[in-house]
Amino acid sequence: KNEVEQSPQNLTAQEGEFITINCSYSVGISALHWLQQHPGGGIVSLFMLSSGKKKHGRLIATINIQEKHSSLHITASHPRDSAVYICAVVSYLGRGADGLTFGKGTHLIIQP
Amino acid sequence: DAGVTQSPTHLIKTRGQHVTLRCSPISGHKSVSWYQQVLGQGPQFIFQYYEKEERGRGNFPDRFSARQFPNYSSELNVNALLLGDSALYLCASSFWTGNDEKLFFGSGTQLSVL
Repeated sequence: KNEVEQSPQNLTAQEGEFITINCSYSVGISALHWLQQHPGGGIVSLFMLSSGKKKHGRLIATINIQEKHSSLHITASHPRDSAVYICAVVSYLGRGADGLTFGKGTHLIIQP
Repeated sequence: DAGVTQSPTHLIKTRGQHVTLRCSPISGHKSVSWYQQVLGQGPQFIFQYYEKEERGRGNFPDRFSARQFPNYSSELNVNALLLGDSALYLCASSFWTGNDEKLFFGSGTQLSVL
């Protein structure tokens, strides 16, 4: 079982819809990243969370440390939001290392 | 500004050979990390370097090594290549702004071991 689970794996929605992507993890973490990858592009970070909520433009990310769950919301979705969204947690990996453990990503398509 | 650049983009090697992959971080970024992404799976953490020192290492064998240079560029070396080392190798650089770490990934080096 993957330590970081994302849902849904694939999501197709109409322009303007409110989008929610979920991430659950089973390990203790010090922080969680939401990442975005456009087709043919590199991966960029959207948010880093250790508690609470962050907002940037139409993107909102929340985390509940007790429930080991985070959500990424997109308001007023637009076709340019079409991308793969990846959840990655910062946790102790052994051998003295904190590192990122990634989910498999959510493939989002926003249709005009 | 150039993003994170990795070279080469593609590489074909045979079992037993060694390989060196290179990464140039975004200007001003002092932290570089390496990841292995096998087809169909999420990336796996290999190393993190900060200010030329190893800060973290994932669960990879000692055949994997890395270093960071004074200009913050980095090399990942893999010795005695195995078929299972075939993967996309990603490099990321990062910086902290306040209490927020921003990560930027390169497009990766696709390594095929035959």
